[in-house]
Amino acid sequence: DTEVTQTPKHLVMGMTNKKSLKCEQHMGHRAMYWYKQKAKKPPELMFVYSYEKLSINESVPSRFSPECPNSSLLNLHLHALQPEDSALYLCASSQVGGKGGYTFGSGTRLTVV
Amino acid sequence: SQQGEEDPQALSIQEGENATMNCSYKTSINNLQWYRQNSGRGLVHLILIRSNEREKHSGRLRVTLDTSKKSSSLLITASRAADTASYFCATASNAGKSTFGDGTTLTVKP
Repeated sequence: DTEVTQTPKHLVMGMTNKKSLKCEQHMGHRAMYWYKQKAKKPPELMFVYSYEKLSINESVPSRFSPECPNSSLLNLHLHALQPEDSALYLCASSQVGGKGGYTFGSGTRLTVV
Repeated sequence: SQQGEEDPQALSIQEGENATMNCSYKTSINNLQWYRQNSGRGLVHLILIRSNEREKHSGRLRVTLDTSKKSSSLLITASRAADTASYFCATASNAGKSTFGDGTTLTVKP
C-alpha cells in the first residue's frame, strides 16, 4: 500500500465537466505536489504547497485549480479541460524543500473527451 | 537542454547483466534521487544521495554523484526481469522545486 493515496484511479470527463482529483498523505510531510505526466515523458511539476500555502505554480492554466485544505489533503479541481490535458496526474509529498525525497501516489489516469 | 538529462534513453540487457544509467543536471542541488516507474503507475523512490556524498549503496543499487561534473549514475547489478521499468533521476532545489530527467527505459530479457 502506498502512503500517498490518490482518488480516483481513473477518470473520464467531458470538456464541460467539473471534477476534482484528491490526494491524501499520512507521512507528516508539510510539502505536497501535483505533477502531470504524458506517455513516455518525465513528470512535469505543476504546483507545490509548503505548510499548506501555494509556493510554486509552474504557469499552469487556470482550468487547473489546486487546493490544500489541511496538511494531509491536496485537491486538484478541474474545469473546462481540453483533450490535450489527458495524462497521468501524480501527487507527491515530502519534507519541505524535498529533503529525503518524494513519496508518490499511484496517480489518476485522466482522459478528457 | 533540460536539467536532469539521462542517457541512454533505452537500454536492453539480459538477465544477470548489470545496467548503468547516467543523469546530468545544470543547477545547484540539495540532493539527487532515483525513481522507478512501471508502465502507467506511480513513481517509487529508490535511493537518495546528498550533495556532500559521492557514492551510496542499497541492495543491488549503487549510485554515484559527481557535483563537479553535475552528473550521477545508477548501477543495477545482477539484473532481473522484474527490474524492467523506466528509471528517472530527480533533483531538489532549495526552493523545493523538483526537476526530473527524461528517463531511461530498461528492458531486462529473461
